[in-house]
Amino acid sequence: EAGVAQSPRYKIIEKRQSVAFWCNPISGHATLYWYQQILGQGPKLLIQFQNNGVVDDSQLPKDRFSAERLKGVDSTLKIQPAKLEDSAVYLCASLPPGSRGPTGELFFGEGSRLTVL
Amino acid sequence: SQQGEEDPQALSIQEGENATMNCSYKTSINNLQWYRQNSGRGLVHLILIRSNEREKHSGRLRVTLDTSKKSSSLLITASRAADTASYFCATDHNDYKLSFGAGTTVTVRA
Repeated sequence: EAGVAQSPRYKIIEKRQSVAFWCNPISGHATLYWYQQILGQGPKLLIQFQNNGVVDDSQLPKDRFSAERLKGVDSTLKIQPAKLEDSAVYLCASLPPGSRGPTGELFFGEGSRLTVL
Repeated sequence: SQQGEEDPQALSIQEGENATMNCSYKTSINNLQWYRQNSGRGLVHLILIRSNEREKHSGRLRVTLDTSKKSSSLLITASRAADTASYFCATDHNDYKLSFGAGTTVTVRA
């Protein structure tokens, strides 16, 4: 079974530029999460999708961050314009189907490391 | 927001020794999970313990949960160099998402 795919693995941009990250979850996983992990900290949830609908985006800085999952499969996270404090690893995770109720094991991708100069 | 807080922040042990790390949280949970993250990689699920369970084992891992104290511990026995990683606890508060702590960095010396 293929894992969660993310790209690019690394990205370096200047502040005020834009960047996009892509995630393809494990086939059949309806729930998809984007987490931000700043160096030395734990992952912080940005947004949660159930199929192509947003379940929770309360911690997404909507003035600069956007995310979509148009066909309920792969997802894109965009930052525009980027700030220095956006330097972090952006992790995508998915949850197997049938996970209503207590959240089960999440499957994570390798992450996309963003450096904003 | 981050719920779990791991203690200690960092731990250095000799190969073959046991490593213990703790996690405390603030509000009631459905389950608590532990994940491992090797440097520059994604997180890998280790073990899940439900709120009605007190102890769980998986290979060299032992997890305990004390809901009265809102705390959990992860014990890695007979540590190996390959156990060098950051370990995170994650809590499910009945909202279909996990909140992660800041993690414990474990270094196993050969």
